[in-house]
Amino acid sequence: ILNVEQSPQSLHVQEGDSTNFTCSFPSSNFYALHWYRWETAKSPEALFVMTLNGDEKKKGRISATLNTKEGYSYLYIKGSQPEDSATYLCAFRGNDYKLSFGAGTTVTVRA
Amino acid sequence: DTEVTQTPKHLVMGMTNKKSLKCEQHMGHRAMYWYKQKAKKPPELMFVYSYEKLSINESVPSRFSPECPNSSLLNLHLHALQPEDSALYLCASSPSGKGSYNEQFFGPGTRLTVL
Repeated sequence: ILNVEQSPQSLHVQEGDSTNFTCSFPSSNFYALHWYRWETAKSPEALFVMTLNGDEKKKGRISATLNTKEGYSYLYIKGSQPEDSATYLCAFRGNDYKLSFGAGTTVTVRA
Repeated sequence: DTEVTQTPKHLVMGMTNKKSLKCEQHMGHRAMYWYKQKAKKPPELMFVYSYEKLSINESVPSRFSPECPNSSLLNLHLHALQPEDSALYLCASSPSGKGSYNEQFFGPGTRLTVL
């Protein structure tokens, strides 16, 4: 079983504030790192697929960075809005091509 | 159509019942997946179908039986389940299985309760 850890488990953010959280994963046999956003009662939605060390991806106010040598990725939300409230999952894809998920970081944005 | 649909949304069953979960996609994806998620835990891979053939079974008990009748449909047949099998069951699809960075597209899940 691969160890994919996300921290913190949950966080509360004031509307307009920026925040970030971490996904750590094995630094060996790396193939790709996926980020998903999951709103309650909806389907997980793919945000990013990151493959290269030093990758930075951006989608609107959400961005992510990747460090495969030390085995971590950060997800940033700039100027949080209530619609950013969701659970953010990362998933490590190794050479066996299977996704191993973290337990997620649940973000609650207070108006 | 970029959706993965799952039915039913909720299912309550007894330990002697036989039921099925259904998953459908019309994106032309050739890989389909079943995951199980318990509360506050990561989704765990159960099965992978690639080009309608079972390619991965993560040592899942035989009371769970997957079926892929065609490239758009994926079923999970349930029989003689235990209360600890209560969980959210997620279906996903991707353009292909191995060898690419392709994203997996998820359905909203079926919330299963075993009494």
